[in-house]
Order: sequence, then structure tokens, then C-alpha cells
Amino acid sequence: QVQLQESGPGLVKPSETLSLTCGVSGYSINSDYFWGWIRQPPGKGLEWLGNIYHSGSTYYNPSLKSRVTISVDTSKNQFSLKLTSVTAADTAVYYCARLSRPAAFDYWGQGTPVTVSS
Amino acid sequence: DIQLTQSPSFLSASVGDRVTITCRASQGISSYLAWYQQKPGKAPKLLIYAASTLQSGVPSRFSGSGSGTEFTLTISSLQPEDFATYYCQQLNSYPFTFGGGTKVEIK
Repeated sequence: QVQLQESGPGLVKPSETLSLTCGVSGYSINSDYFWGWIRQPPGKGLEWLGNIYHSGSTYYNPSLKSRVTISVDTSKNQFSLKLTSVTAADTAVYYCARLSRPAAFDYWGQGTPVTVSS
Repeated sequence: DIQLTQSPSFLSASVGDRVTITCRASQGISSYLAWYQQKPGKAPKLLIYAASTLQSGVPSRFSGSGSGTEFTLTISSLQPEDFATYYCQQLNSYPFTFGGGTKVEIK
């Protein structure tokens, strides 16, 4: 059974960098598929942030204006999200997920809440 | 970016009712559409992919249809566990986008 688990600080100060990791079990990231990050501000809808393939190929949401970087560590079977220069608008629950074929996010982590506040 | 408009945004229904949710895309997305169910405090759960294919383990009362710009999610007979928020998502082109959601509540 594929399982994903987000980890990282729950509180980040404004202007600093948000860093999260998604650990994957039950499937080798090195085998196939894209892996993605999605977030959900409190009481609002879902926003796709970006995807990464095990080769390192990435696609990002241009709305984040180059603040986002997704990387993969196949040796640890995990991938990571960095979001720079955060503001209160980046307060959200952050989810990692697997992008299956045909395209859809079929496995999700439980989500991790991140608050941006001083 | 491709905009997805879901309607209605809120729906009040009774157990046993047939429920239909619509998702309209601002441009054609072929069949690259997925539907998710989300309950409070939980991650979204994939229900339908490729517009009409039921994800493994999802009850057959859920069905999806459509292609191009207009799609529907139908619940044939609403069950107590179906009260949740439903989102559509297009995966035809980057950036992937989600609809605004439809909250299904108990009448």
C-alpha cells in the first residue's frame, strides 16, 4: 500500500522559507510517476503547487512567481518543497500526492498545517 | 490558465436523493478531469479520473461523464457518508487547476 507522509515546521516567520518533506513508503519513487504538492488555505479550496519526476523534471504553478522549488531524494524515497519569502497568504494545509496515469492524484498524504506568523 | 467553474457551490439534499454536480472548463480539456471528495480535516480522496473512470474501491453510486468543457459528477443515491465537499480538477495542461468546490450538506 502506497503511503505518503508530510513533515516539517508548523510555524514559519514572514519573509522566511517554508520547507516540507514528503516521505513515501510502499512504492519506490525511482520507479515511475510524478509526485506533487497541493495546498489548501483555511476554509478555502485546493491549489496545485507543482510536480516532480524521479529524474528531477519539474513543473511549477506560475502564480507562485518562482518562490517554489521541489526536489527529490531517491535514496531516501522522499521529495521536498521549499517556498521562499512567505507571507500570511501562504498559511495553509500542505499535501503531497502521487500523480497517477491517466492523470489524477491517487494517493495523498494526510496533510500538514503550516502557519506563517511572527 | 484553465478556469474550472463548479455549480452549485452548495447543495442541500436528503439521503437517497440523486445529486448532480457540474464542472465547466474555460477551454477544452478533452477527458483530463478528476473528481475528489473531501471530508473535514481529511485529505481529498480520488473518486473519478479521466472524466468517467471510477477509482478502485469507490462505490458504484458515483459516476462521472462529459468531455471537452462540460462535466458532471452524479451520486445516484446519496448516503450519509457522502456528505462532504467535492472538487473537480483539470490535468490537461499546466498549471493544473481545481474547481471552487461543492459542499453537499444534509437537508
